[in-house]
Amino acid sequence: EAGVTQFPSHSVIEKGQTVTLRCDPISGHDNLYWYRRVMGKEIKFLLHFVKESKQDESGMPNNRFLAERTGGTYSTLKVQPAELEDSGVYFCASSRSESSTDTQYFGPGTRLTVL
Amino acid sequence: GENVEQHPSTLSVQEGDSAVIKCTYSDSASNYFPWYKQELGKRPQLIIDIRSNVGEKKDQRIAVTLNKTAKHFSLHITETQPEDSAVYFCAAIASKIIFGSGTRLSIQP
Repeated sequence: EAGVTQFPSHSVIEKGQTVTLRCDPISGHDNLYWYRRVMGKEIKFLLHFVKESKQDESGMPNNRFLAERTGGTYSTLKVQPAELEDSGVYFCASSRSESSTDTQYFGPGTRLTVL
Repeated sequence: GENVEQHPSTLSVQEGDSAVIKCTYSDSASNYFPWYKQELGKRPQLIIDIRSNVGEKKDQRIAVTLNKTAKHFSLHITETQPEDSAVYFCAAIASKIIFGSGTRLSIQP
């Protein structure tokens, strides 16, 4: 079974630019999550998709962040315009069921650096 | 808001010794506590978990304990080996998952 994949693995952009991160969940996993880890801190929840619907987006920091999951397969997370504090590692995870106790499988993350 | 505190942030132990990482959670509704291990350059992976109706769970060299009254849970690694070196994250789940800030464990040969 292929794992969760994320693209790109690294992205370096300047403040004010736009970046789009992509996540491909494990096939058949309806639940997709986005997280962010700022250096040295906890992994913070951003949002949760069930298929193409946003189940919970309470962790999204502000309206510069836009997540989509058209068709209920892969998801994108766009940051526009990027700010310095957006730097960090963005993780995607997927799970088969919506149960909060179902194992979440993580992708390798995208390291975003905003200069 | 709800949070999970994790200690220590860094831990260095001699190969063969034991390592203990402790977490405290605030949401009393939390009922599931997974632990993730992230090796350098790799993705976080679930290594063990415990549910609120259990006080202790063991899997070979790793064990987790849970004290619901005190809202504490801990990860214990015995007979540590170099491949145990990684960042470990605890998490507590009620309606959503809340992670601790991570512990960087280094095993010294």
